[in-house]
Amino acid sequence: RKEVEQDPGPFNVPEGATVAFNCTYSNSASQSFFWYRQDCRKEPKLLMSVYSSGNEDGRFTAQLNRASQYISLLIRDSKLSDSATYLCVVNSGYSTLTFGKGTMLLVSP
Amino acid sequence: EPEVTQTPSHQVTQMGQEVILRCVPISNHLYFYWYRQILGQKVEFLVSFYNNEISEKSEIFDDQFSVERPDGSNFTLKIRSTKLEDSAMYFCASSTTGISVGGYTFGSGTRLTVV
Repeated sequence: RKEVEQDPGPFNVPEGATVAFNCTYSNSASQSFFWYRQDCRKEPKLLMSVYSSGNEDGRFTAQLNRASQYISLLIRDSKLSDSATYLCVVNSGYSTLTFGKGTMLLVSP
Repeated sequence: EPEVTQTPSHQVTQMGQEVILRCVPISNHLYFYWYRQILGQKVEFLVSFYNNEISEKSEIFDDQFSVERPDGSNFTLKIRSTKLEDSAMYFCASSTTGISVGGYTFGSGTRLTVV
């Protein structure tokens, strides 16, 4: 069975903090990896793709370890607006995605 | 920014009734998808559609479900005889390529409540 596992949280952090989320996936054949963000009762929105070499987009850094089947997301200088659920997503078929259940982040003033 | 449009935003239906959920994908996208999310659960794949036919479907997508692209713009999901457990948020998505390199663009969803 193809699974994506995440710590559900919630992670409670103050503004300005650095927070890291981790994710493991079971399908060793997966080739595409993403972090999505989902606000309460809203649609998932693509935050960033994750590449083998690691990649950064502003305050967000994603890492992939294929050998360990492990993906991470680091958020620096947390903002109140970063409060959301962060979904680890992996491709599981030619064009299908398998979602983790998500990690909730709460950033407080 | 182009977006995927879904209607209605909320639908309430009685158990056993048929519902049709509608989606207008981004105009130059070729691959279309339906996903669902039961309250408090993870987003789950239902079906993908390309070149006017289903390309992949999950175990959830049984004979009660069907998809159609009736014209050049709409993409619909039909549930023939709804059950209580069909209550969920249904998300339509589209992408330019089937290899999900760039991820999908999701619509804002239809909340289906079966009573």
